Amino acid sequence: NAGVTQTPKFQVLKTGQSMTLQCAQDMNHEYMSWYRQDPGMGLRLIHYSVGAGITDQGEVPNGYNVSRSTTEDFPLRLLSAAPSQTSVYFCASSYSGQGFGGNTIYFGEGSWLTVV
Amino acid sequence: DQQVKQNSPSLSVQEGRISILNCDYTNSMFDYFLWYKKYPAEGPTFLISISSIKDKNEDGRFTVFLNKSAKHLSLHIVPSQPGDSAVYFCAASEGTSYGKLTFGQGTILTVHP
Repeated sequence: NAGVTQTPKFQVLKTGQSMTLQCAQDMNHEYMSWYRQDPGMGLRLIHYSVGAGITDQGEVPNGYNVSRSTTEDFPLRLLSAAPSQTSVYFCASSYSGQGFGGNTIYFGEGSWLTVV
Repeated sequence: DQQVKQNSPSLSVQEGRISILNCDYTNSMFDYFLWYKKYPAEGPTFLISISSIKDKNEDGRFTVFLNKSAKHLSLHIVPSQPGDSAVYFCAASEGTSYGKLTFGQGTILTVHP
């Protein structure tokens, strides 16, 4: 049981380049989300999805695109990388039907992105 | 505007003693609160949670207290163990979260043997 899998683990980008962070979950969760973690800021929500074909913005969506064509996958696209997007990115997934419980939110191991 | 705040960036305690991590929030619509633990190079893992209808929740060595009037919650770890050394995040949500959490900045806990 893989849980939430993120790739790549580490990436260095040049300013202006684009790339996609991949996220896949094998738990048939409806809800998926992307967070970024910056020093002194905790984790901040970028985008989230409540099901295939449905996405919405979180707290810090600028510069990022998402799509959800399948239940399993929720890729995060950086359109034109900027140094301000240097961060650690976490994908998460959770159930819907049980009501909200923190123990049903599963995080991936993170993707370290550096933009130079 | 930081809606969830952890004002202590770090905490150092001796093994066997109590660790108390604090968290304050400003959004009165938050009705569910969680603590996550994070080791370096890993994703956050769920530790314990509390609903706003309660003021205390206990799970083994971990107890979370909620003071709604003060908009304050705390995590008590008794007794503290070296393996508890990690970053602890307080998080909050309102209503049905859809996996949307608002996190505090985190507190680095170091438990010395």
